Amino acid sequence: KQEVTQIPAALSVPEGENLVLNCSFTDSAIYNLQWFRQDPGKGLTSLLLIQSSQREQTSGRLNASLDKSSGRSTLYIAASQPGDSATYLCAVSYFNKFYFGSGTKLNVKP
Amino acid sequence: EADIYQTPRYLVIGTGKKITLECSQTMGHDKMYWYQQDPGMELHLIHYSYGVNSTEKGDLSSESTVSRIRTEHFPLTLESARPSHTSQYLCASSEYRGNAEAFFGQGTRLTVV
Repeated sequence: KQEVTQIPAALSVPEGENLVLNCSFTDSAIYNLQWFRQDPGKGLTSLLLIQSSQREQTSGRLNASLDKSSGRSTLYIAASQPGDSATYLCAVSYFNKFYFGSGTKLNVKP
Repeated sequence: EADIYQTPRYLVIGTGKKITLECSQTMGHDKMYWYQQDPGMELHLIHYSYGVNSTEKGDLSSESTVSRIRTEHFPLTLESARPSHTSQYLCASSEYRGNAEAFFGQGTRLTVV
């Protein structure tokens, strides 16, 4: 069974800081890993998708890396802004299902 | 932009009522999913489908049922709502291939009083 863990559970930083969110998974036989953003009471917005054969993906101020063999992914957010405040979730595609971590709740203070 | 829609966005209903949460996608995706999420908690898969006439139970036991008569439509039904069903319900879809990206709707927040 696949288990996905995210650390830290919550993070509060001042505006402008660079930060790293961590995601780990127990079985490396994944098809891909996705990072999502969730605002309170809303659905999930896909941020980055990394296929199992890839090492990283970038979109604007976001960079996600994947080390499949060690079961780890990181989401790097550069120059954080108050608008980045949300919960960030990672999910792995594993045997026809998506398995989610419990998320990192990020608060960026002005 | 993802084209997956859930209605209603918010629903407050009395105990014992029958409800159907709607989910539709216009991307032609074969796979569709229902997740349940309590506030501040993780997502739990309650139902999924590989295509028309295919439905499977997820990892979290649920009293709800689903149907998949059309590719684009994956409604979830509760025959008799209870306060324990109060939660957010999220619908998702993806292409059939294993490395496909998942797309989510905006969710339905259900409150049973």
